[in-house]
Amino acid sequence: GAGVSQSPRYKVAKRGQDVALRCDPISGHVSLFWYQQALGQGPEFLTYFQNEAQLDKSGLPSDRFFAERPEGSVSTLKIQRTQQEDSAVYLCASSPPGSSGNTIYFGEGSWLTVV
Amino acid sequence: GQNIDQPTEMTATEGAIVQINCTYQTSGFNGLFWYQQHAGEAPTFLSYNVLDGLEEKGRFSSFLSRSKGYSYLLLKELQMKDSASYLCAPLTGFQKLVFGTGTRLLVSP
Repeated sequence: GAGVSQSPRYKVAKRGQDVALRCDPISGHVSLFWYQQALGQGPEFLTYFQNEAQLDKSGLPSDRFFAERPEGSVSTLKIQRTQQEDSAVYLCASSPPGSSGNTIYFGEGSWLTVV
Repeated sequence: GQNIDQPTEMTATEGAIVQINCTYQTSGFNGLFWYQQHAGEAPTFLSYNVLDGLEEKGRFSSFLSRSKGYSYLLLKELQMKDSASYLCAPLTGFQKLVFGTGTRLLVSP
């Protein structure tokens, strides 16, 4: 597609529910990132994939958060037993192979509200 | 550890020039990005500095001093549509962007 596509755009979950957020990166982009952005804050790194390999998951806040990218394209961020503090925008970004670092493109984000 | 410091909020008038400063401390450094983010939208790329000095791109310029851990974004001929948050983000290893809280810029007529 033309840009990074995320779905759903908006999700309201009851506390304790599981949610799955999807990211379709730009075609051919090798690197994929997930960020969490709380209201009034900058995005915070969650995890990074190069193709299907998850090279860095140091930012995942707890073992309730899980990300996968099984075929090296689409990625899913799963949050189990959601809590109110999980309410945030979840941003996905991708970049092409061999990029010098100045070509990281963000999607519109998935807005999660846990009630 | 990682620390990014930028002002929380700034105001300016249409047609003016504004400079948004950013100081950073990161473990590893591979350049610094500036992003613009309008409320409810994705961050959009503005600039990337990897070497010391000034990069100019139209109304926007960005400066980097690696030895001082300092960058600024300069916006000239401000327009109302420039009202947004501006995010300073050093790039550490593995293309990992570390964001500050952002500077909310309000441009008034």
